[in-house]
Amino acid sequence: AQTVTQSQPEMSVQEAETVTLSCTYDTSENNYYLFWYKQPPSRQMILVIRQEAYKQQNATENRFSVNFQKAAKSFSLKISDSQLGDTAMYFCAFKYGNKLVFGAGTILRVKS
Amino acid sequence: DAGVTQSPTHLIKTRGQQVTLRCSPKSGHDTVSWYQQALGQGPQFIFQYYEEEERQRGNFPDRFSGHQFPNYSSELNVNALLLGDSALYLCASSSPRGTDTQYFGPGTRLTVL
Repeated sequence: AQTVTQSQPEMSVQEAETVTLSCTYDTSENNYYLFWYKQPPSRQMILVIRQEAYKQQNATENRFSVNFQKAAKSFSLKISDSQLGDTAMYFCAFKYGNKLVFGAGTILRVKS
Repeated sequence: DAGVTQSPTHLIKTRGQQVTLRCSPKSGHDTVSWYQQALGQGPQFIFQYYEEEERQRGNFPDRFSGHQFPNYSSELNVNALLLGDSALYLCASSSPRGTDTQYFGPGTRLTVL
C-alpha cells in the first residue's frame, strides 16, 4: 500500500525565518510524482510545489523548495522568509496511478 | 483563466437523503477527480472520471456515484446519507498529458444532520 506520513502535526515559525516540514512515503514504484499542497482557512487546496521522482534536482518555487531523498523516501518542504500568509495546513501527497494519496497534514503558524 | 469551480458552497441534509455536488474543471482539463476530506484529516480519493467514464475508484461504497458530461464537468452523487458523510468534498481537475498535476476547487461543505 502507498502511504504518506507527516510526523509533525503542528509547527510554528517567526515571520521572516525559515521552517522545514517533513514528509516520508512508502512505495515500490520507481517513477512517480510528489506534491506539497497548502490549505489555508479559506479551505482552497493550493499547489505549492511538485517533484518528479526521475529528476535528481530538487524543485524550487520562489521561497519554497524541497529536499527530495529518493532512497530514503523523504520529501521535505523548506519555506524561506516565512510570511503571515503562509499560515495554513500543509499536505504532502504522492501520486499513485490516477489518484493522490495524502498525508495527515501539518498545521503551520507564522507568528509576527 | 477560470480555475476549478464547485457548487454549492455549503449544503445541509438529513440522514437518508440524497445529494448532488457539481464541479467544472479548469480550462483545458478533461479529467475530474473527487476527494472527501473529513475535519482535521487529509483528503481521501473517491473516484476519477475521464472521457465520461469512471477510470479509478477509491475505497468508498456504491452509495457514492458520479457522472461526467461531454463538456468535462462532473457530478458527485451520494445516496442514503449517513452522519459520517459530513465532510468537505473537493473536486480536482487535470489533463492526462504532462505531469498530470491536479488542481483543486474550493470544495463543498456537506453537513448531515
